[in-house]
Amino acid sequence: LAKTTQPISMDSYEGQEVNITCSHNNIATNDYITWYQQFPSQGPRFIIQGYKTKVTNEVASLFIPADRKSSTLSLPRVSLSDTAVYYCLGENYGGSQGNLIFGKGTKLSVKP
Amino acid sequence: GAGVSQSPSNKVTEKGKDVELRCDPISGHTALYWYRQSLGQGLEFLIYFQGNSAPDKSGLPSDRFSAERTGGSVSTLTIQRTQQEDSAVYLCASSLVGQGASKTEAFFGQGTRLTVV
Repeated sequence: LAKTTQPISMDSYEGQEVNITCSHNNIATNDYITWYQQFPSQGPRFIIQGYKTKVTNEVASLFIPADRKSSTLSLPRVSLSDTAVYYCLGENYGGSQGNLIFGKGTKLSVKP
Repeated sequence: GAGVSQSPSNKVTEKGKDVELRCDPISGHTALYWYRQSLGQGLEFLIYFQGNSAPDKSGLPSDRFSAERTGGSVSTLTIQRTQQEDSAVYLCASSLVGQGASKTEAFFGQGTRLTVV
């Protein structure tokens, strides 16, 4: 399973774009890069997943370079409600998925 | 459809007592995970069930912890002789793995907050 490294915390202001980068140097060929969001007193929830290049959904964009050793979660125009902990992890696609190992995540604080 | 359901939502127990935490995964999900999260900390993996395979118990912190998954559905996490350091939120998640899965998205329950006094 890929070991991931993220900044412990980040601060931002409402309306700004936030980019959180995750390093995963030993990511396996079959691993997809997945990001989860966790609000206080709630379980994590899936945000976005990708394998290579760029993926965009209604919540975020995910940028993955060709070597796949890192990925960047981009949150456009954050609001106070985006204050949460963001986790990146490598997930095996389909087939025989193993356990999901979460790191410490990045605590994003959005200020008015 | 219902999401992952955990019960109880809160549990206060005395040190030394046994507790059972229940997880009802999303119907049809073959994978089930248990995690523990202490206040302000990340998720600590405990155990993973996938279909009929032997569970991955590598995250269980001691032999006081055990888990079962009956009929490939409901799971129970049991903590024997609880200690104060067991106080945490216990989270369960399930996912659809393998054929037909477009992505390996895990769905989490709201957790059980365990307090050992």
